[in-house]
Amino acid sequence: GQQVMQIPQYQHVQEGEDFTTYCNSSTTLSNIQWYKQRPGGHPVFLIQLVKSGEVKKQKRLTFQFGEAKKNSSLHITATQTTDVGTYFCAGSHQTGANNLFFGTGTRLTVIP
Amino acid sequence: ETGVTQTPRHLVMGMTNKKSLKCEQHLGHNAMYWYKQSAKKPLELMFVYNFKEQTENNSVPSRFSPECPNSSHLFLHLHTLQPEDSALYLCASSQLRDGRPEAFFGQGTRLTVV
Repeated sequence: GQQVMQIPQYQHVQEGEDFTTYCNSSTTLSNIQWYKQRPGGHPVFLIQLVKSGEVKKQKRLTFQFGEAKKNSSLHITATQTTDVGTYFCAGSHQTGANNLFFGTGTRLTVIP
Repeated sequence: ETGVTQTPRHLVMGMTNKKSLKCEQHLGHNAMYWYKQSAKKPLELMFVYNFKEQTENNSVPSRFSPECPNSSHLFLHLHTLQPEDSALYLCASSQLRDGRPEAFFGQGTRLTVV
């Protein structure tokens, strides 16, 4: 069945350090989305990647989609306390399909 | 406020009770979803409704029964649940096929089965 794994499961960083989470799918994805869930909150959409090898940036966040469209990464430069939360990737198998399968998530803690 | 409202926010129910979770979206979307979020598992897709038609049922036990009377409302009817069904139940909506792929989530219902 569909499996989307993320590593690491937890990450503690000192404020100002960089952070990266990796997402791996057992099958080729049509597209991948990234969400952030603050403690006690709900997932909030960050970005979608569609093309093989695509790289997108949002301020200190850099998102990458692998060439084989089976993996993705999110890199945060110079973390801030506002970056705290759980980051999820979510993949879809079919173009135009809306069955999003979420990864296991990476919980980020930023130590001031 | 995301435009997706879930009620109640918290629910405690016994294993013999029947209850319903409600979700309403004010975004004009045509797809709605139920997800289950447990402490040690990823977000699990339970049901998908596209244009009010159920298009996905990810092997969810029959003690969970969804209902989508229109494209703005989604219910999850619960009966004879088990303690392992305790979790955060999240509703989401999205707009299909217009280039806006993101799912908008409600605040969730924290369900405890005793």
